[in-house]
Amino acid sequence: GDSVTQMEGPVTLSEEAFLTINCTYTATGYPSLFWYVQYPGEGLQLLLKATKADDKGSNKGFEATYRKETTSFHLEKGSVQVSDSAVYFCALSESGGSNYKLTFGKGTLLTVNP
Amino acid sequence: DTEVTQTPKHLVMGMTNKKSLKCEQHMGHRAMYWYKQKAKKPPELMFVYSYEKLSINESVPSRFSPECPNSSLLNLHLHALQPEDSALYLCASSQGAGVYTGELFFGEGSRLTVL
Repeated sequence: GDSVTQMEGPVTLSEEAFLTINCTYTATGYPSLFWYVQYPGEGLQLLLKATKADDKGSNKGFEATYRKETTSFHLEKGSVQVSDSAVYFCALSESGGSNYKLTFGKGTLLTVNP
Repeated sequence: DTEVTQTPKHLVMGMTNKKSLKCEQHMGHRAMYWYKQKAKKPPELMFVYSYEKLSINESVPSRFSPECPNSSLLNLHLHALQPEDSALYLCASSQGAGVYTGELFFGEGSRLTVL
């Protein structure tokens, strides 16, 4: 079945540091890939997505590129802020299907210190 | 501000109580979801409604009973819960329309404590 593996943290960085959170996936078809973010005390929010190979998703300074050859979707940001402290979930869904299921990674807790 | 509204934000109940969680969205989405999230874990899918019909039940115990009165509302009725059911319950919605894109809009959750 489908699965997502992401680096487990926690990750602690100083403000303005470079961020990478690794994510790799296993899927039988051609999945869409997502990064969701959960700020403290809140629900999840879609951060960015990519629906096919070589697509780059970007939002709020975060980027991730859909790499089919390495089955990866690593999250990067050039300069993190304290406000980026949150839990980040990599996820996939089988595109075009009707199974309504997102497969999540275990989540990575990011703490950014001033 | 989230466009999926959940009430109550916090709920404490005993094992013999009956309570309900409510969720509302006004984005015209036709698929709605209940997820359960334990601390430091990813959300786990419980139920999916598509066009107001139950589409997926992930083998959830019958002490959880979902209801979708109309396309904007989703309820989760709780009865005879166990302490291990304590968790954050998240409601989400998506456009649906028969093709799932994985883009979900989540509410802020209802934090449930079962004593």
